Amino acid sequence: NAGVTQTPKFQVLKTGQSMTLQCAQDMNHEYMSWYRQDPGMGLRLIHYSVGAGITDQGEVPNGYNVSRSTTEDFPLRLLSAAPSQTSVYFCASSLLAGDYEQYFGPGTRLTVT
Amino acid sequence: AQSVTQPDIHITVSEGASLELRCNYSYGATPYLFWYVQSPGQGLQLLLKYFSGDTLVQGIKGFEAEFKRSQSSFNLRKPSVHWSDAAEYFCAVGGGGGADGLTFGKGTHLIIQP
Repeated sequence: NAGVTQTPKFQVLKTGQSMTLQCAQDMNHEYMSWYRQDPGMGLRLIHYSVGAGITDQGEVPNGYNVSRSTTEDFPLRLLSAAPSQTSVYFCASSLLAGDYEQYFGPGTRLTVT
Repeated sequence: AQSVTQPDIHITVSEGASLELRCNYSYGATPYLFWYVQSPGQGLQLLLKYFSGDTLVQGIKGFEAEFKRSQSSFNLRKPSVHWSDAAEYFCAVGGGGGADGLTFGKGTHLIIQP
């Protein structure tokens, strides 16, 4: 049981490039979410999904897209990276929406130059 | 809108001393409250949670927290800290059965002095 996995661990992008951050969980959790962590800001919710085929926006969704084609995977796409998206990104999952006991992945540190 | 305030950005404690990290929340109904710990370069690990019932909750690694509704607080405590407790600590609130995730405080950085 690997829990929540994220790839890559580190990434450097140039402004305007696109990329996908991968997130997978093997706990059969319905709820998955993406947060970004910035110094002095705590964690802020980007997007979330309450089940396969269902996604919604969180507090800071601009510049990010998500999809949920399977229960296990919840990729986060940056369509045109900007320096303001330099951050550490965490994926999390919980058994159900509203369960709130979320399990976090190890994070992806993204730098946009 | 719900919010969480962690008033202390940094706290320095001597090894073996007691610890209290403060957390105040704003939420319209009964909140679900959490404390997470993040070691350097790592993800977040759940220390403890409060959903209902006994207002003093026990967690992992010898931590406990007390929910005080009248003060809108959920302070984290440990009677004797160890050098390995040095980390970033986050308080978070959620609730209402909604799907909009957790709201986190900005974190408290704990430094342990030998």
